Amino acid sequence: QVQLQESGPGLVKPSQTLSLTCAVSGASINSGGYYWTWIRQPAGKGLEWIGHVYMTGSTNYSPSLKSRVTISVDTSSNQFSLKLSSVSAADTAVYYCAGFRWSSGYSQYFFYGLDVWGQGTTVTVSS
Amino acid sequence: DIVLTQSPGTLSLSPGERATLSCRTSQSLHSNYVAWYQQKPGQAPRLLMYGSSTRATGIPDRFSGGGSGSDFTLTISRLEPEDFAVYYCQQYVGSPYTFGQGTKLEIK
Repeated sequence: QVQLQESGPGLVKPSQTLSLTCAVSGASINSGGYYWTWIRQPAGKGLEWIGHVYMTGSTNYSPSLKSRVTISVDTSSNQFSLKLSSVSAADTAVYYCAGFRWSSGYSQYFFYGLDVWGQGTTVTVSS
Repeated sequence: DIVLTQSPGTLSLSPGERATLSCRTSQSLHSNYVAWYQQKPGQAPRLLMYGSSTRATGIPDRFSGGGSGSDFTLTISRLEPEDFAVYYCQQYVGSPYTFGQGTKLEIK
């Protein structure tokens, strides 16, 4: 059973860089089969997809955040990370890491959605 | 970006009743790459459906999904007390993999 756990500072100053890590257990990132994803949710609001990384390091980012976001993978530690630069109060949210499961076969791709989530970590941007 | 619009914003029903939640996409999806998630207060979302109509592991059969093109629905046939939550749809046809704004299902 795959489990995810976010970690990182709960308070970040404006203009600084937010850094979070998601530890993966119960599966090896190197096994493939997942796009490792970051999602955020401001208090009382909906979900916002930030981006994802594959085990190869290939990434896909939301255009609205692309200039400030870096998502990377560390296969040796079986974890992946989020960096968001030049933060402001608008970046205050609960940040979730999640795994988007997929598979391939018979020349087709199969997608199963975000079927594993971390519990979320609250990040507040304030001086 | 593909915009997802969920309706209604809030749905007030009683246990035992049938719930129908709608998710409309701003462009027709050539593949039924729509997922539904349930979120309870203080918890991470939970995957309910993927591929528009396939239940995720462990999801009871009172949940069903359907639709195609730009109109998708999540139906809960007989509401149980634990079903009252916020529901989100998500498309994964094209990046960014956008979510709808959510439908809150509350007890009447």
